[in-house]
Amino acid sequence: SAVISQKPSRDICQRGTSLTIQCQVDSQVTMMFWYRQQPGQSLTLIATANQGSEATYESGFVIDKFPISRPNLTFSTLTVSNMSPEDSSIYLCSVVWGDAETQYFGPGTRLLVL
Amino acid sequence: LAKTTQPISMDSYEGQEVNITCSHNNIATNDYITWYQQFPSQGPRFIIQGYKTKVTNEVASLFIPADRKSSTLSLPRVSLSDTAVYYCLVGPWAGNNRKLIWGLGTSLAVNP
Repeated sequence: SAVISQKPSRDICQRGTSLTIQCQVDSQVTMMFWYRQQPGQSLTLIATANQGSEATYESGFVIDKFPISRPNLTFSTLTVSNMSPEDSSIYLCSVVWGDAETQYFGPGTRLLVL
Repeated sequence: LAKTTQPISMDSYEGQEVNITCSHNNIATNDYITWYQQFPSQGPRFIIQGYKTKVTNEVASLFIPADRKSSTLSLPRVSLSDTAVYYCLVGPWAGNNRKLIWGLGTSLAVNP
């Protein structure tokens, strides 16, 4: 099966700084998504990463805070900008292949903001 | 988007069959039902997906009644390693609209 990797796997950051998370897939995918899972909570969709165009953000999430890139069909980045402790969370990317009807998730990036 | 309701937690013992039921009264015609498993500090792992009737794979079975307003995930002979959170999701999968709404899931504890 295809492999989805995320870098970094975890990080501890100071408030006011930014962190860029990478999601790499070893085969081309149709769709890529970014989620956030705060401690003890369920998953919340941040945005759909669109290849070659601006990401589509869900209500409550904006590009200035969570800029996303997707330069090709196997790679995407999510930046968490001007971080505060409230951004401490697990960030997950997910992908869909072809016309399949299932999302597959990366291992996640655990972020702690001090 | 359909909303799901499932028990917050369940307890079981090794070797037992576990059935987790999910209610989705407002499921739409083009919605599929999907179950994921999540271990602490890991991304969710796909378990099974179905539209109607019964689906079985090497891990679990999914039972969906004719009205599709609920579904039951059946895990045969659970082991300690099946302790995890199980999420039931419904959503349209056609085209580019694959948004999912995640509930709190069911925290399953398998005891020795």
